[in-house]
Amino acid sequence: GAGVSQTPSNKVTEKGKYVELRCDPISGHTALYWYRQSLGQGPEFLIYFQGTGAADDSGLPNDRFFAVRPEGSVSTLKIQRTERGDSAVYLCASSLRGANTGELFFGEGSRLTVL
Amino acid sequence: AQSVSQHNHHVILSEAASLELGCNYSYGGTVNLFWYVQYPGQHLQLLLKYFSGDPLVKGIKGFEAEFIKSKFSFNLRKPSVQWSDTAEYFCAVNAPRGSYIPTFGRGTSLIVHP
Repeated sequence: GAGVSQTPSNKVTEKGKYVELRCDPISGHTALYWYRQSLGQGPEFLIYFQGTGAADDSGLPNDRFFAVRPEGSVSTLKIQRTERGDSAVYLCASSLRGANTGELFFGEGSRLTVL
Repeated sequence: AQSVSQHNHHVILSEAASLELGCNYSYGGTVNLFWYVQYPGQHLQLLLKYFSGDPLVKGIKGFEAEFIKSKFSFNLRKPSVQWSDTAEYFCAVNAPRGSYIPTFGRGTSLIVHP
């Protein structure tokens, strides 16, 4: 596609449930980033993929959060046993080779609400 | 760990006023610097970036930013704002932490009154 696509755009779930958020990056972009943005805050880094591997997952807040990118394109962010504090907009971004060589292209985000 | 500070959280201006948004970062080595903008209902997009060379960077829509290494700053400027500049503005810094992960400031909400 022309840009980064994220689905769903909105997700409402109950505390304790499992959630998957999907990101389809720009074709040919090897670098993929997940960020989380809470109200009134800037994007907070979660995990970075270069190709299929997680090059840096130091931003994942705990072991309830996990992300995969099995074929080096689409990525899925998985959240187990959701908590109310997980409510935020989850942003995905891709870059041709990595942020040290160019800009990030962002999707419109997936708004997660945990009741 | 690197950090980014944006001191102005909310700015309200009238059209044709000049704009300057502050951005300071904490990393002492080589950095890449960005300003991103998020218009209402849209995704984050790049306004301008600095990697090397001339510290005065020109971006889209008449925006510019100046990298002052001695002050660890990368302030965003526009001489005359328009109503359409109403948006959230985010400063970001890329520094080697193994993988060059951009760190974002908390953002500045700009409202321009016509």
